[in-house]
Amino acid sequence: GESVGLHLPTLSVQEGDNSIINCAYSNSASDYFIWYKQESGKGPQFIIDIRSNMDKRQGQRVTVLLNKTVKHLSLQIAATQPGDSAVYFCAENMAGGTSYGKLTFGQGTILTVHP
Amino acid sequence: DAGVTQSPTHLIKTRGQQVTLRCSPKSGHDTVSWYQQALGQGPQFIFQYYEEEERQRGNFPDRFSGHQFPNYSSELNVNALLLGDSALYLCASSLFYNEQFFGPGTRLTVL
Repeated sequence: GESVGLHLPTLSVQEGDNSIINCAYSNSASDYFIWYKQESGKGPQFIIDIRSNMDKRQGQRVTVLLNKTVKHLSLQIAATQPGDSAVYFCAENMAGGTSYGKLTFGQGTILTVHP
Repeated sequence: DAGVTQSPTHLIKTRGQQVTLRCSPKSGHDTVSWYQQALGQGPQFIFQYYEEEERQRGNFPDRFSGHQFPNYSSELNVNALLLGDSALYLCASSLFYNEQFFGPGTRLTVL
């Protein structure tokens, strides 16, 4: 079945360090992957996405890497700041068929950035 | 642009009652999806509405139903509430199958 999971439930870093959050997915038919940030009391906020025909995509201070061979996704945050402290979710979206548009979320990783 | 808005912010109900949650999508969006997020978990897809019809549904019982109006706003209805229905209910809007923008959610507590 469809599932998206995370290796690490918590990550604690110092301000200025680089952070790496990992995610494993099991559905090889997944076509589109998204990273969301969720702060306390708020809904998930889009960070960056990547399609299955790519292996890397960069945004502002963030990079997403996709390894389809091992079904692994990672989010790299450069120069992590206290404002980056939140729960990070990866989500997958299947292309075509009856599941398109349905996001399947992983458990989430709590990122804590210490000043 | 106000983004995705949801009401109410918080709600307390008792077992067996019925509840209606509301969502207004981001301007220009025509698709609304609903998710349930239990404490400490990732959101789980309930269903999605497009052109006033339910287009997809997740693994939720028929007690969960919805509606989309001509102005694209949407409602989520839950009947015969159970304690396990306590969660944050998130609405996300998108333009067809594109990026989904989430609202702040409605926190439902069932006593």
